[in-house]
Amino acid sequence: GDSVTQMEGPVTLSEEAFLTINCTYTATGYPSLFWYVQYPGEGLQLLLKATKADDKGSNKGFEATYRKETTSFHLEKGSVQVSDSAVYFCAREAGGTSYGKLTFGQGTILTVHP
Amino acid sequence: DGGITQSPKYLFRKEGQNVTLSCEQNLNHDAMYWYRQDPGQGLRLIYYSQIVNDFQKGDIAEGYSVSREKKESFPLTVTSAQKNPTAFYLCASQKTGMNTEAFFGQGTRLTVV
Repeated sequence: GDSVTQMEGPVTLSEEAFLTINCTYTATGYPSLFWYVQYPGEGLQLLLKATKADDKGSNKGFEATYRKETTSFHLEKGSVQVSDSAVYFCAREAGGTSYGKLTFGQGTILTVHP
Repeated sequence: DGGITQSPKYLFRKEGQNVTLSCEQNLNHDAMYWYRQDPGQGLRLIYYSQIVNDFQKGDIAEGYSVSREKKESFPLTVTSAQKNPTAFYLCASQKTGMNTEAFFGQGTRLTVV
């Protein structure tokens, strides 16, 4: 079935460090891919998305490129801030009759220190 | 403002009681979802509905029930059959079709006391 695997956390970085959070997905069909962010005690917010191979999604300095050949959608940011501390979820769209339904990875906790 | 609203934000339940979590959206979305979030386990799908008066079980439906009588509303009942109900519950809505993002409510934290 559809699945998404994220790198295990938690990830702890100093401010202005480079961030990578790895995400790979099962290669059934050509799903849209998403990154969501969750701040403490809140729901999830869409961070960025990509709908086809080689698309790059970007928002707030974060980027992720849809890599069909490696079935990956790694999240990157060149210089993190304390305010980026949150939980990050990678997700893929389901296929078949459940089109649109999202399957999420387990989430990666990011903590950024001043 | 359009959005999705969950209530209450915090809920306490005694063992053996049923409790209903509210989810309302004014985004005119056809699809709605309920997820459960536990530490270190990500989001697990409980139930979803792609159209009024129809819904499907997700991965962990046992001990839960839902209804979808109106497009705007998708309440979740946590029954006494749910063995470990303490968790953070998230509701989401989405336009039907491909390549559409899901919009999430702020969540309800349920604690069994």
